[in-house]
Amino acid sequence: DVVMTQSPLSLPVALGQPASISCRSSQSLVYSDGYTYLHWFQQRPGQSPRRLIYKVSNWDSGVPDRFSGSGSGTNFTLKISRVEAEDVGVYYCMQATHWPPTFGQGTKVEIK
Amino acid sequence: QVQLVESGGGVVQPGRSLRISCVASGFNFSDYGMHWVRQAPGKGLEWVADISYDGSKKFYPDSVKGRLTVSRDNSKNTLYLQMDSLRDSDTAVYYCAKGMLWESWGQGTLVTVSS
Repeated sequence: DVVMTQSPLSLPVALGQPASISCRSSQSLVYSDGYTYLHWFQQRPGQSPRRLIYKVSNWDSGVPDRFSGSGSGTNFTLKISRVEAEDVGVYYCMQATHWPPTFGQGTKVEIK
Repeated sequence: QVQLVESGGGVVQPGRSLRISCVASGFNFSDYGMHWVRQAPGKGLEWVADISYDGSKKFYPDSVKGRLTVSRDNSKNTLYLQMDSLRDSDTAVYYCAKGMLWESWGQGTLVTVSS
């Protein structure tokens, strides 16, 4: 199975400051069709996961543009340009290139 | 808009069975593969089942193979997860999710396995 490793696992950030979450995979996530099926999900406290970014860098509808995704191959990053109170929660990366689909451990973002 | 609504969770004794459901609306259900994912209390996300758009292909991780069975009824826009021989370690919130890009998730249903 592809292992997804996120860092850090806990991320205290002051309001208005940037945040960055790293996600590394144990093998390349480039599929045979040329796409990279690496997605990012946000799980606010008490809520179900919500997809924020799909295929590395594509925003979902309604996602603020302070969120951005980047990366390639085995190294990926989710960035929040200026953290707001509503961004508190756990963020997961997930790969769907290889079977079985696997998730990172999650990164908990909190306000410092 | 897309809606996925899970139901059927509850408290069940170890070794017993339970079937949970996910009713879909807002999209053509029969065009999409679907997934079940679970989250144990305070833990991360674990994929537990996949089913193709027509129900002909089903996939499971080894941790649940033989005990969990995914199915769907496209005439009812409903996804199911039959859980047999339940263990304490199956205690979790179970979410259904839509499509190969995992674009929408339900609110989840809590299954508690306890004597």
